[in-house]
Amino acid sequence: DQQVKQNSPSLSVQEGRISILNCDYTNSMFDYFLWYKKYPAEGPTFLISISSIKDKNEDGRFTVFLNKSAKHLSLHIVPSQPGDSAVYFCAASAKRASNTGKLIFGQGTTLQVKP
Amino acid sequence: DTEVTQTPKHLVMGMTNKKSLKCEQHMGHRAMYWYKQKAKKPPELMFVYSYEKLSINESVPSRFSPECPNSSLLNLHLHALQPEDSALYLCASSPPAGARMNTEAFFGQGTRLTVV
Repeated sequence: DQQVKQNSPSLSVQEGRISILNCDYTNSMFDYFLWYKKYPAEGPTFLISISSIKDKNEDGRFTVFLNKSAKHLSLHIVPSQPGDSAVYFCAASAKRASNTGKLIFGQGTTLQVKP
Repeated sequence: DTEVTQTPKHLVMGMTNKKSLKCEQHMGHRAMYWYKQKAKKPPELMFVYSYEKLSINESVPSRFSPECPNSSLLNLHLHALQPEDSALYLCASSPPAGARMNTEAFFGQGTRLTVV
């Protein structure tokens, strides 16, 4: 039972263009969503998050959009850079419900940004 | 200091060995976590400690035994592991969920464990 889904295992974009990574979730109790970036043999690095009370959060080149009615979120990277090439994980938690900070991760999307 | 430090980075152990993974953070976080990640899979939660007390055990086999000696340290004791337990073990920390709504978990670099 995959509560957080990233249906695209991989994505390839040209340097300077926009990268859009998508994530869907099924649990309506989720109220906090995060994106992590991961290089091989390293731990996930936090990128950006969004609370369910918002529909957009922006931090530099990274913007996360949340569509609660569709249970969908997306990460936009503009402009994409070769250093952005990594695996991107979407994660969700139900903070108000569980108060544990437990994160449920999607399967990850491997982004390749070509020079 | 926004770092979570895990030691060792790599560990190879036999099925009869006893070993421990260590995790340390000095961010004043009072929630600490162990996750397990197999190749090409997402991290999966194993244990959560909140204020040094075990609050979640995700039905992890008893051959994995967590310990939280103080608010900065988290250990994972390993005994009689199986080859299928080989994975990347990730430690993370965060402020308790009730402290602030918008808080993220900080992850260490992980310990790559191989059971032979």
